[in-house]
Amino acid sequence: EDQVTQSPEALRLQEGESSSLNCSYTVSGLRGLFWYRQDPGKGPEFLFTLYSAGEEKEKERLKATLTKKESFLHITAPKPEDSATYLCAVRHIKAAGNKLTFGGGTRVLVKP
Amino acid sequence: GAGVSQSPSNKVTEKGKDVELRCDPISGHTALYWYRQSLGQGLEFLIYFQGNSAPDKSGLPSDRFSAERTGGSVSTLTIQRTQQEDSAVYLCASSLGGQGTYNSPLHFGNGTRLTVT
Repeated sequence: EDQVTQSPEALRLQEGESSSLNCSYTVSGLRGLFWYRQDPGKGPEFLFTLYSAGEEKEKERLKATLTKKESFLHITAPKPEDSATYLCAVRHIKAAGNKLTFGGGTRVLVKP
Repeated sequence: GAGVSQSPSNKVTEKGKDVELRCDPISGHTALYWYRQSLGQGLEFLIYFQGNSAPDKSGLPSDRFSAERTGGSVSTLTIQRTQQEDSAVYLCASSLGGQGTYNSPLHFGNGTRLTVT
């Protein structure tokens, strides 16, 4: 059974204090790892897709990396507007359509 | 519309009543998904529709839950005889579907917050 575990559950940062979020997964055949951002009262918003170990994607202060067992979301010099819950999800090679299995998320709070 | 639209945004119902939740996907997206997000929990897959194919219902938690998609567009999730444990945010997502689109990202609506009293 596919499992996705995110850590830490919550992260409090000072503005400008860089940090990393972890997403570890056990999937027998990975066909994509996805990162989403979710603001309170909103649906998840797509950030990145990573396909293979060694791949990296960047968007503003966010950088996602992938190994064979885990992915990291690095937040560089965060700002208060980066406060959100960050969700990681995987797609199994045999999953129907683009069905995703999600982790529990990491709640990030960036204080000014 | 520009994004996935869900209605109502909030629904309060009494235990034992039936509820219907609606999802209007992004135009041109043939794949549609329902997920459930309980307080402090991750997203739980419920059901997936792709075009005219039979839906993947493997995530529906009980036979009180059903969903349909009419005309390959709008979808309705129905929960019969609601229970307190059904209280959650129900999220709908859509994506491109079919050959060559297997990693098309899911685009989510803002969900329906269901409270069963």
